Amino acid sequence: GDSVTQMEGPVTLSEEAFLTINCTYTATGYPSLFWYVQYPGEGLQLLLKATKADDKGSNKGFEATYRKETTSFHLEKGSVQVSDSAVYFCALSEEGGSEKLVFGKGTKLTVNP
Amino acid sequence: KAGVTQTPRYLIKTRGQQVTLSCSPISGHRSVSWYQQTPGQGLQFLFEYFSETQRNKGNFPGRFSGRQFSNSRSEMNVSTLELGDSALYLCASSLEAGRNTDTQYFGPGTRLTVL
Repeated sequence: GDSVTQMEGPVTLSEEAFLTINCTYTATGYPSLFWYVQYPGEGLQLLLKATKADDKGSNKGFEATYRKETTSFHLEKGSVQVSDSAVYFCALSEEGGSEKLVFGKGTKLTVNP
Repeated sequence: KAGVTQTPRYLIKTRGQQVTLSCSPISGHRSVSWYQQTPGQGLQFLFEYFSETQRNKGNFPGRFSGRQFSNSRSEMNVSTLELGDSALYLCASSLEAGRNTDTQYFGPGTRLTVL
């Protein structure tokens, strides 16, 4: 079945450092791809999404590009802030009419001042 | 517009009991999905409802069940609770069903502890 693999954490960075969290997927057809973020004690919030190849999703300084040739959707941010500390989940929604999301294991990011 | 709400936020039960969790989707959203989040297994899909019909089901035993009402509110039930059912249960809503491009909006979750 479809699956998502993202880099294991935890990731610890200093404020203003560059962030990359790798995400690759296995899917039949053309899934939509998502990055969700979870702050402590909260549910998941959509960070960004891309629904077709070469689409770039962006929000709050975060970006990710849907690369079908490498089946990847890596998350990047040029300059992280302490407030970006959270757990980040890469996910896909399968083509074919289901709302089901398949998630990666999550990557915990800690940003130190 | 109010977000997805889940009640209760916290529950403590003992093995063998049953539990019912509730989810109210964003106004106008007709699709509701449920997920289980545990440290070991991560986020796993439980089921999806649209127009009071279950459209998809994850790989969970029959002790896990759900339903959706005509106002799109949804409940999930777990019978004969086991220690391994301790988890954060998340509900998500989206506008329609059958469009994998739609964003799903998550509630804050119900933290279930089974003793």
